[in-house]
Amino acid sequence: ETGVTQSPTHLIKTRGQQVTLRCSSQSGHNTVSWYQQALGQGPQFIFQYYREEENGRGNFPPRFSGLQFPNYSSELNVNALELDDSALYLCASSLFGGGQETQYFGPGTRLLVL
Amino acid sequence: AQSVTQLDSQVPVFEEAPVELRCNYSSSVSVYLFWYVQYPNQGLQLLLKYLSGSTLVESINGFEAEFNKSQTSFHLRKPSVHISDTAEYFCAVLGYNQGGKLIFGQGTELSVKP
Repeated sequence: ETGVTQSPTHLIKTRGQQVTLRCSSQSGHNTVSWYQQALGQGPQFIFQYYREEENGRGNFPPRFSGLQFPNYSSELNVNALELDDSALYLCASSLFGGGQETQYFGPGTRLLVL
Repeated sequence: AQSVTQLDSQVPVFEEAPVELRCNYSSSVSVYLFWYVQYPNQGLQLLLKYLSGSTLVESINGFEAEFNKSQTSFHLRKPSVHISDTAEYFCAVLGYNQGGKLIFGQGTELSVKP
């Protein structure tokens, strides 16, 4: 069984740039969720994708967007980067429905915005 | 809306001593409850979960947590800790039909000293 993988592991960008982060879900899972974890904080929900559509969204501006592909992998795109976007970005996969609500996390992508 | 409060930001303890990490939640809907562990510079690992059934749940490495609906708590306990248990622990709640939005507490840093 393959776990959740994310790429890249680290990334440095400058303010105003755009970034794309990638996530491959665990085998057998059909749902991907993205979280932002600032230093010293708990993760904050950005959004979830199921059947290639956004299934729920947290309190993040529209410059945070995502995609899910037919193989259930996903991308997180952030436009017009701000200094406060510096954080660990975590992807989690799960199996939607049937009571299998447990989310399994990848190792994260650490983004630094200068 | 849901919220999670982890009552202790840091818990120092000596090796082989018992430990309790406290977690309280608030929710207007039924919930699933989780504990995740995060080692330095890593993603989140699922430690244990309550979905339904027995209110006492256990992990493979000796941790246990009890769902107390009347007190809206899900405290994590271990009767004897090891140095390797040193990590950040996050309590999280997922409300039924809430779009996959895991709500996390601020985390508790468990520091096990020899």
